Formats: sequence, C-alpha cells, structure tokens
Amino acid sequence: GDSVTQMEGPVTLSEEAFLTINCTYTATGYPSLFWYVQYPGEGLQLLLKATKADDKGSNKGFEATYRKETTSFHLEKGSVQVSDSAVYFCALPLGDTGRRALTFGSGTRLQVQP
Amino acid sequence: ETGVTQTPRHLVMGMTNKKSLKCEQHLGHNAMYWYKQSAKKPLELMFVYSLEERVENNSVPSRFSPECPNSSHLFLHLHTLQPEDSALYLCASSQGQGANEKLFFGSGTQLSVL
Repeated sequence: GDSVTQMEGPVTLSEEAFLTINCTYTATGYPSLFWYVQYPGEGLQLLLKATKADDKGSNKGFEATYRKETTSFHLEKGSVQVSDSAVYFCALPLGDTGRRALTFGSGTRLQVQP
Repeated sequence: ETGVTQTPRHLVMGMTNKKSLKCEQHLGHNAMYWYKQSAKKPLELMFVYSLEERVENNSVPSRFSPECPNSSHLFLHLHTLQPEDSALYLCASSQGQGANEKLFFGSGTQLSVL
C-alpha cells in the first residue's frame, strides 16, 4: 500500500545549522506529497506541499522538492532557529480512502540548541 | 488556533469506564477524521467521515465507537479500553475532494488508561 518512510530522530542541531530530513515514498501514480509539523502540546499543521513531480514546496524557509526518480521528498532549511524545534511528518494521501485521508511517516523530532 | 477544538485535553480512565472524546470544527468542512498517535509509532488513521457518513474504519477495535451527528461535530466513544490504548487522539477536518486536501488538526486529547 501507499506509505512514506522518514529518517528516525532525534536530530539535534545548533542554531543556524543546515537541516535535512529524509523522506521516501511508495505510491501508485503520483500523489501530492506533504510535510506537517507538530509543535509541543499542539496538533499537526501543514508546513508545505507539492502536487506533482519536480514541484518545490516552500514555507517559513523550509523547502522540499518532489523527485519521482528517487521517490523522495526531503525537507531542507538553510539556517534553523530554536523555534523550529518540533516533530516533522512526511505524508501522502491514502489511495484506498479515495485519497481523502493522509498516511504519515513516523515523525522526526528536531531539537535546535542555541 | 486551527479552528478545530478537542475536549477534554487530558483524560484518565479505568478499563471499566465509559467516556467520550469530542471534536468540533468551525471551518465549514465536510470531512472529519480520528487519528491515534502513540509514542514511537506512526500516526494511525482510525475513522473517516465524509458528509456525516463513515467512509473508512481502519480495522479499529469495537471498544472505539465514533459518532458524527452533523458536519461540525465528531465524537469518539470509549468503553472497556486497554492500557495499550493510552495515546494522543487527534481529530482533523478537511474540505473538498481529491489529493490536495489540507488537514486541519485539533490539539488532541491525551488519554491514559489505567
């Protein structure tokens, strides 16, 4: 079935370091791909998305490019801040729900130290 | 504030208790979801409601019983739970069809089963 696999955390970085969180997917066709973020004590919120191959999603300095050749959607940020500390989830629509619901990866916790 | 409100925020219950989780969305969306978030496990989709009709039951045990009386409200009725059911239960809503839907999440109910 459709699924995403993302790197395990936690990822610990110093402020202003470069961030990469890897995500690969398995899917029928070319579904939209998403990154969601969960700050402490909150639910998930959409960070960015890409709807077709070679699209780049971006928001708040984060970027991810939809690469069908490598079935990847890695999340990157050039300079992280302490406020970016959160859990990041890669996701794609579930085919067997008419693509209405999302399936999520296991999440990668990011800790940014001052 | 995402427009999706969950109550209570925290719940402790014994295995013989009956309790209900409530979710309310103020966004005019037509689909609502229950997800379970356990430590060190991917988010698990439990139920999907579209236009108040259940369209997905992801092999959830019968001790969990959802109810969607209207498009703004979603409940999860709990009875005779097990300690392994302790988790964060997240409600989400969305609008429209297709693979580009954005899910809006509540902050969740942290459930502990003793």
